[in-house]
Amino acid sequence: DAGVTQSPTHLIKTRGQHVTLRCSPISGHKSVSWYQQVLGQGPQFIFQYYEKEERGRGNFPDRFSARQFPNYSSELNVNALLLGDSALYLCASSLGGQAGEKLFFGSGTQLSVL
Amino acid sequence: QKEVEQNSGPLSVPEGAIASLNCTYSDRGSQSFFWYRQYSGKSPELIMSIYSNGDKEDGRFTAQLNKASQYVSLLIRDSQPSDSATYLCAVRGSGGYQKVTFGIGTKLQVIP
Repeated sequence: DAGVTQSPTHLIKTRGQHVTLRCSPISGHKSVSWYQQVLGQGPQFIFQYYEKEERGRGNFPDRFSARQFPNYSSELNVNALLLGDSALYLCASSLGGQAGEKLFFGSGTQLSVL
Repeated sequence: QKEVEQNSGPLSVPEGAIASLNCTYSDRGSQSFFWYRQYSGKSPELIMSIYSNGDKEDGRFTAQLNKASQYVSLLIRDSQPSDSATYLCAVRGSGGYQKVTFGIGTKLQVIP
C-alpha cells in the first residue's frame, strides 16, 4: 500500500502569492494533520482534520486554511505569503478517532518564499 | 514552559556505545508518547511508541516512560553511524482533539 503522498515536493513562490499544498493519506486513514517545520525546529501543529471536519487548529494566522475531501485527501492553503512562511510542510495521516493513534508522515513539501 | 522539551544537542557518542535521549513534557494528562527519527532533508519516521510507565524494547531501541516525573527517554544500544539523525520526541495531549506536539529534536552524531 502507498504511504502518505504529498505534492508538490518543492515550490518556489514570491511574497504576496498564494500556495496550495496537497496530501493523500494512507488507505483506510481518515484523519490528516498538517505541520510546519522550520529549519532547526520541531514540527509545529497547524491543523487536524477528521471526517472532513476541522478538529484542531494551531497558533497560525488566518492566512492559513485547509480542508479535507470526501476521499480523505486534504489541501493546505496559504495566502499572502511572507518570507517567514518558508519551511517544510508536513502532512501526517492517522486512522482517526482512536486514542493513542500514531501519526505517519509524508515526504513533505519544501516551500521557499522569495 | 514549552509543552515538550528536548536538548537540541548535538549528542556525540562513539560507535557501539549507548545513546541516551531525553524529553520532558508539561501536560500531566498526556497518555501517548512517540519517538521519531528524522534524517537531514527527510520527513520524520516513527520508531517507537509508548503508553504505559516502564520500558518498551524494540531491537536496539528502548523507550522509557515515567508519567509521575513527566519524562520520556530513548536508549539506542550499539549505536551505528547510520543512527546519526535528529530524534524528535512527540506527545499526544489530553485536550479535546489530542493534538500531537513535538519537541525541537536532539541531533545525534555517532562517531565511527
